[in-house]
Amino acid sequence: DAGITQSPRHKVTETGTPVTLRCHQTENHRYMYWYRQDPGHGLRLIHYSYGVKDTDKGEVSDGYSVSRSKTEDFLLTLESATSSQTSVYFCAISATGTGNDEQYFGPGTRLTVT
Amino acid sequence: AQSVTQLGSHVSVSEGALVLLRCNYSSSVPPYLFWYVQYPNQGLQLLLKYTSAATLVKGINGFEAEFKKSETSFHLTKPSAHMSDAAEYFCAVSVYKAAGNKLTFGGGTRVLVKP
Repeated sequence: DAGITQSPRHKVTETGTPVTLRCHQTENHRYMYWYRQDPGHGLRLIHYSYGVKDTDKGEVSDGYSVSRSKTEDFLLTLESATSSQTSVYFCAISATGTGNDEQYFGPGTRLTVT
Repeated sequence: AQSVTQLGSHVSVSEGALVLLRCNYSSSVPPYLFWYVQYPNQGLQLLLKYTSAATLVKGINGFEAEFKKSETSFHLTKPSAHMSDAAEYFCAVSVYKAAGNKLTFGGGTRVLVKP
């Protein structure tokens, strides 16, 4: 298995509070991704990173920000959590970022916003 | 823009029966296509991928998929279902840009295997 960990694995928070999710990899892969998974929608890309301090928006980026200060860590922040952000969040990594490159997924973080 | 449609959010099969999961895509450029599997409370694991080398792609656990350009399809099959195949399956198309490949996923198909 690819060395990807996510923390926390479960979190319950209140509306309006900031939340930061962490993705840590030991594979030294350049590309990292944050997805959210919701029933019927599959996974949707929130943000991704193509290098240290290099990030870009995905399909559903509103209300989220990211940072990557080290190759191994990619942080996802919800500045002010809302109930619509209740979801399962997955981090993924890939080595080359080319179209046929496999993405490896972490175990996920289940976030509940009350 | 790319998109993926998986027909059927739930599929029920008997153990030993054929598993057929349907995936149709739209893409303005030749696509890279993937099937991922997700077991309960786990992340996604790659089953197989199409990268234009061969239209019939074999993956892990006895699964295979056939790319049909004329039908814009990439259906996943397994001749004989096993209880361990109970999981959710996702089809995805890759959108490649200079800053990395972004996957667009279908809504997923949950497979139930009956004994």
